[in-house]
Amino acid sequence: DGGITQSPKYLFRKEGQNVTLSCEQNLNHDAMYWYRQDPGQGLRLIYYSQIVNDFQKGDIAEGYSVSREKKESFPLTVTSAQKNPTAFYLCASRQGGADTQYFGPGTRLTVL
Amino acid sequence: SQQGEEDPQALSIQEGENATMNCSYKTSINNLQWYRQNSGRGLVHLILIRSNEREKHSGRLRVTLDTSKKSSSLLITASRAADTASYFCATASDSGGSNYKLTFGKGTLLTVNP
Repeated sequence: DGGITQSPKYLFRKEGQNVTLSCEQNLNHDAMYWYRQDPGQGLRLIYYSQIVNDFQKGDIAEGYSVSREKKESFPLTVTSAQKNPTAFYLCASRQGGADTQYFGPGTRLTVL
Repeated sequence: SQQGEEDPQALSIQEGENATMNCSYKTSINNLQWYRQNSGRGLVHLILIRSNEREKHSGRLRVTLDTSKKSSSLLITASRAADTASYFCATASDSGGSNYKLTFGKGTLLTVNP
């Protein structure tokens, strides 16, 4: 099956701990994106990457970090510096030159 | 920053009725897209309309774009209970380039009652 996988679906962490969210795609897409969604809100862009070994900050990058060592993988680390990390995190990918994005199923992170 | 603002925030209709959602945006765009999200799931792309287009159709979906008013509408005809979801508009200022990104609105929650 082609698509985007995010794991785990639910994640619980204690305050002050870093946590890494996984995003993998087998669509051979060039670009990948991380969004945060809060209840009743739209999506806000955290980081995006157009090619391997390159990424750019989105609108709310503070307290987050990413890497893009492989085309198919774009992990997001939520650091202890993120003031309010509890949210639904969505990963997306896009073929170079195309306009639409394909989304993974999301990871719901709860920090206790 | 969120560019698109959907209206209404919530909409409840009966099965078989039509549902209309609106999106307003602030800056010039290359294209506008509509996505659907079922509760607790990822988003699914529905339809894209470019800045030089005024109307597009896809099945029961009809999208219009008025660039002079910086607004778009999504019409779902003959709604079904399975159409219950949140609907988001997203805008892009360029087309698929090296710095391509979408800006999403806050969404309209559509409930279709059987």
